Parts: sequence; structure tokens; C-alpha cells
Amino acid sequence: ETGVTQTPRHLVMGMTNKKSLKCEQHLGHNAMYWYKQSAKKPLELMFVYNFKEQTENNSVPSRFSPECPNSSHLFLHLHTLQPEDSALYLCASSQGTSPYEQYFGPGTRLTVT
Amino acid sequence: GQQVMQIPQYQHVQEGEDFTTYCNSSTTLSNIQWYKQRPGGHPVFLIQLVKSGEVKKQKRLTFQFGEAKKNSSLHITATQTTDVGTYFCAGRVLTGANNLFFGTGTRLTVIP
Repeated sequence: ETGVTQTPRHLVMGMTNKKSLKCEQHLGHNAMYWYKQSAKKPLELMFVYNFKEQTENNSVPSRFSPECPNSSHLFLHLHTLQPEDSALYLCASSQGTSPYEQYFGPGTRLTVT
Repeated sequence: GQQVMQIPQYQHVQEGEDFTTYCNSSTTLSNIQWYKQRPGGHPVFLIQLVKSGEVKKQKRLTFQFGEAKKNSSLHITATQTTDVGTYFCAGRVLTGANNLFFGTGTRLTVIP
């Protein structure tokens, strides 16, 4: 499936680095999401954008900063991360926010050293 | 806060055996979705249930939504090795945020 793409697929960064994750959807959807998937934890919703407007921010630390320049692109800017931020970061999109199914990208495996 | 629990957390079955995972929400849901994540992959949408007591089938998979819309189940008949993966339910609450609350997932292993 190439409907939702994410880059990079793997990222190793130090705690003082700044990096960005990119997501692009080719499905004509209006809503985009960032999720964090850690081992032995449920999928955690981080941010929701609907028509480029941020509609949800689930108490995510400010070291994670989302950006949605248009309905097809979503970024997650990372700075001064902690080792516990190491996880799989998944981007998803849907036609709208409810009640539509979500299409996930392959994820970025992030390791913070 | 909103929680969606799934049991069991892990299940090992012999190929050909049946498998069931259960999903329970602390609050009433407007709808529930099921996703499958293969090892090393990403969640893929399977189905959505909306009505109280709804039952839907996809080949060997049967999905149910409880009468009170607080629980759901996924049953696989005669498992195959291709069924391996983690199955997640994801519920949306009746009012308020449009978030999908994902369950903890059930990891299925099928022994050939």
C-alpha cells in the first residue's frame, strides 16, 4: 500500500538533536493523525488535524511539535527528546474525523540515545 | 479517562483452531473499528460496527458489537498462518472528542 507514506522509516537521534518526521497521504483525505506506538502500550493518539486545523492535542509534551501545511502533508518536529520517546511513530489519515476508518503509514522507528 | 481493554493480551493457537479476542470499553461507544497489524507492519482497517448488537462477517472472521455498545468481539474460525498479527479494537465515544481510543491489542500466534 502506498496511500500513506512516511519518511524516514528509521531514525536514531541524540537528546540534543532536532529532527522532523514527514507524512504524506495520496488518498484525498481531510484528516491526518500522529500516533505513538510503544511496546506493551495501546496506540496513543498525539495530534489530530482536520482540514489543516489542529483539533486535538492529547497532552503531548512540547518537545513534539506538529505542522500541517496542507491536507496532504503532516510533519512532526522533534527536539530535545528523551530516551522514553523511543517508539514507532505512525501517521494516519481519514476522509473525515468521524466515523471514517483510518489508513496508516508504515511508521518511523525512532530511537533516542 | 476513556479506556478500552482487550483480552487476552496474547494467544497461541494451533492452525485450524478458533480464536476470539474481546474488547471492553469503560464508556458507551458510538462505533467500534477493528484493525490488524502484522509483525513489523502497520495497523490495517478491517471493519466498523455502528449498531447495537450488530454482527458482521468477513470470510472466517466474525465481528460483534454488544447490545450496550460497550464491548465487542472478533472471532476467527479455523485459523491459518496468515492470521498471525496483533488485532486492535478502536472505539469512538458517544459525545465529545472524535478520537479513536485504541485497545491494548491481542497478539495472535498460529502454530503450523
